Amino acid sequence: DQQVKQNSPSLSVQEGRISILNCDYTNSMFDYFLWYKKYPAEGPTFLISISSIKDKNEDGRFTVFLNKSAKHLSLHIVPSQPGDSAVYFCAGRDSGGGADGLTFGKGTHLIIQP
Amino acid sequence: DAGITQSPRHKVTETGTPVTLRCHQTENHRYMYWYRQDPGHGLRLIHYSYGVKDTDKGEVSDGYSVSRSKTEDFLLTLESATSSQTSVYFCAISESYTGGLFEKLFFGSGTQLSVL
Repeated sequence: DQQVKQNSPSLSVQEGRISILNCDYTNSMFDYFLWYKKYPAEGPTFLISISSIKDKNEDGRFTVFLNKSAKHLSLHIVPSQPGDSAVYFCAGRDSGGGADGLTFGKGTHLIIQP
Repeated sequence: DAGITQSPRHKVTETGTPVTLRCHQTENHRYMYWYRQDPGHGLRLIHYSYGVKDTDKGEVSDGYSVSRSKTEDFLLTLESATSSQTSVYFCAISESYTGGLFEKLFFGSGTQLSVL
């Protein structure tokens, strides 16, 4: 059973516009959510996170919104830049899951069109 | 960047042969993880370690074993490689997983493994 779902395998956005990447989860025990960005032939790198006690976290052009009642989070990138083209993974951390790390979604490939 | 080195970066092997992938860290972090990335599946946890000689299974551990004899090294072994184990393997490290401050995972650059 997929605990973290990223239902859009790919997303194409024009440069300068807003990119919105969505993520849904089913595990009510998740207490932290993270977004990772991955370029080809490189490892994922941390982008931004949010605690379950907050509904918004902002870092420069990146903002993550959390809607706990809907079990939904979204990553907004404004304005989108060519270097944002990458695969984005949403991940959740189970507060009662021990040391077994994060549960990741399948990823969304963001393509920024010039 | 976190000091994580994965070796080899690329490997081609034949079905039935044993394969060992190495992850080396210079951060002295307690927790180490092995993930695999496959199209349509994202990142899935294979095994993880919470200290020297302390390891546990992840979501997709069948066909894999691990060992951690030193804090800095975490080895992933495919006892008898199969074509279904063709994948990109990522090692990750973390200082801690709980408490008031959650430490995120830092990933290595990956090992592309092809089993023919």
